[in-house]
Amino acid sequence: DQQVKQNSPSLSVQEGRISILNCDYTNSMFDYFLWYKKYPAEGPTFLISISSIKDKNEDGRFTVFLNKSAKHLSLHIVPSQPGDSAVYFCAAQRNTGNQFYFGTGTSLTVIP
Amino acid sequence: EAGVAQSPRYKIIEKRQSVAFWCNPISGHATLYWYQQILGQGPKLLIQFQNNGVVDDSQLPKDRFSAERLKGVDSTLKIQPAKLEDSAVYLCASSLHNTQYFGPGTRLTVL
Repeated sequence: DQQVKQNSPSLSVQEGRISILNCDYTNSMFDYFLWYKKYPAEGPTFLISISSIKDKNEDGRFTVFLNKSAKHLSLHIVPSQPGDSAVYFCAAQRNTGNQFYFGTGTSLTVIP
Repeated sequence: EAGVAQSPRYKIIEKRQSVAFWCNPISGHATLYWYQQILGQGPKLLIQFQNNGVVDDSQLPKDRFSAERLKGVDSTLKIQPAKLEDSAVYLCASSLHNTQYFGPGTRLTVL
């Protein structure tokens, strides 16, 4: 049972444009969400997170939006850079200390 | 601050052999996780430790997989005997609060 879903396996964007990566979840009890970035042959690296009490969190070029009613979150990268090319995973947690559930990832390619 | 260390980085074994992976978490991180990531999928939790106690091992195939966390710091994950479907990247992560920090992973190939 996949509780966190990333329905787009891949995404290509021109350098300088906006990248939008989407994530849907089914468990309304999730209260903390994270995005990870993964380069080949490396472990996932934490990128940005958001608590369910917020609907937006911004960190430099990265912004995460949370729509609790739709059980949907998205990651916006503006402007996109070639170094952003990686696989992006979203993850969700219910209560601090419990396990994280990961999506299947979206491979982002930023074209110079 | 040193990150999560894992070894070996790569391992190739034949089915029915045994293999062990080692993880050294970030100093001071009480929670340690082992994940299995099969190609094309997201990480799947195998086991979660809080200090040296097991919090969640519901998805660990206990007939062949075992894990321990020595003195609440380092951890080892063992597979005995390995099957072809165990081919995957095994990721170790540690956390202090809500954010997990991952090691580089061990890529296991079972032939």
